[in-house]
Amino acid sequence: NAGVTQTPKFQVLKTGQSMTLQCAQDMNHNSMYWYRQDPGMGLRLIYYSASEGTTDKGEVPNGYNVSRLNKREFSLRLESAAPSQTSVYFCASTGETYEQYFGPGTRLTVT
Amino acid sequence: GQQLNQSPQSMFIQEGEDVSMNCTSSSIFNTWLWYKQEPGEGPVLLIALYKAGELTSNGRLTAQFGITRKDSFLNISASIPSDVGIYFCAGRRLGTSYGKLTFGQGTILTVHP
Repeated sequence: NAGVTQTPKFQVLKTGQSMTLQCAQDMNHNSMYWYRQDPGMGLRLIYYSASEGTTDKGEVPNGYNVSRLNKREFSLRLESAAPSQTSVYFCASTGETYEQYFGPGTRLTVT
Repeated sequence: GQQLNQSPQSMFIQEGEDVSMNCTSSSIFNTWLWYKQEPGEGPVLLIALYKAGELTSNGRLTAQFGITRKDSFLNISASIPSDVGIYFCAGRRLGTSYGKLTFGQGTILTVHP
């Protein structure tokens, strides 16, 4: 089992560029999440998907969109990147026990 | 968003010492989780707690679900250099849908050989 995988691991964007962060889990979990982690701010929830076919906003959704492609995959899209979106992005998934498992993260810099 | 109050913010200890950290909230929680994050990596789940008063161990780590359901504690015994990292608590509040968690700000642990 790979658990939760994320691609890419690093990315540098110019302001205004777009990109999609990919996430996949092989644990047959229903719920998936996207967080950003910034120094002094902890982990903040961007969007989540309680089950295949549903998505909901979290704490900081502005500037992002998500797609739950199937039960395994949950992608995060930045349509027009801004320097304020420089952060480390984590994908996570949860099964019936509410134990949440994280991916290795994507380190994004927007210049 | 609401955060858990995690303390201490950082700890500098000697190898072999025991470590204690805790998370508190004014809200009631159904689930407490403790994670460790090393530089450049994602958080790794250490211990999960589901019942008030529950005490669970994972090697040298022991965590407890507080009786009031508003706090949780993590102890590390006989610390070693590889214990270095950031330890996060996370909880699922009573009434929260699905697996949405509230996180603490983390305790940065440094272990001197």
